[in-house]
Amino acid sequence: EVHLVESGGDLVQPGGSLRLSCAASGFTISNHDMNWVRQTPGKGLEWVGYISRSAETMYYADSVKGRFTISRDNAKKSLYLQMNSLRADDTAVYYCIVGGYWFDYWGQGTLVTVSS
Amino acid sequence: EIVLTQSPGTLSLSPGERATLSCRASQSVGSNLAWYQQKPGQAPRFLIYGASSRATGIPDRFSGGGSGTDFTLTISSLEPDDFAVYYCQQYANTPRTFGRGTKVEIK
Repeated sequence: EVHLVESGGDLVQPGGSLRLSCAASGFTISNHDMNWVRQTPGKGLEWVGYISRSAETMYYADSVKGRFTISRDNAKKSLYLQMNSLRADDTAVYYCIVGGYWFDYWGQGTLVTVSS
Repeated sequence: EIVLTQSPGTLSLSPGERATLSCRASQSVGSNLAWYQQKPGQAPRFLIYGASSRATGIPDRFSGGGSGTDFTLTISSLEPDDFAVYYCQQYANTPRTFGRGTKVEIK
């Protein structure tokens, strides 16, 4: 059974940094592209970024480009989201997702709150 | 960026009734559309890809249709477990985008 567990969400001040992790189990992560998607009550579901299975290709939403970096360690079965220069509008639940086009499997999400 | 508009915002129906949800794209996405179901406090659950193909384990009371800019998700006979929020998502272009959702509530 596919299992994704995000961690690292926290309360952080504007301008701060945070690194989210996603631990994968129940499937071979190196065979799958991955994404991060975030959700807020106000803006709904927003795609954050994509990383190919071998980490050769990454794409980002314009809203996070230059501030967020997606990486992965297939040997550790893990996906990461490095978030820098955080802003209040980055406050959201962040989901780790298996899938390249549609989003097959979702983690339970981790809450990031950006506030002073 | 492709904008997806879902309607209605809320659908009030009784168990056993048929639900028809709409998703309209601001430009053609071909058949590159997916649907998800989300219940309170849970992550979205993948239902449909390719506009009309059900994901593994999804009951056949869920069906998707359409192509180009107009899509529908139909639940043929609502079960108590189906009352939730439904989202469409396009993967024709980057950025991937979602609709704002349709809430299916018990009447």
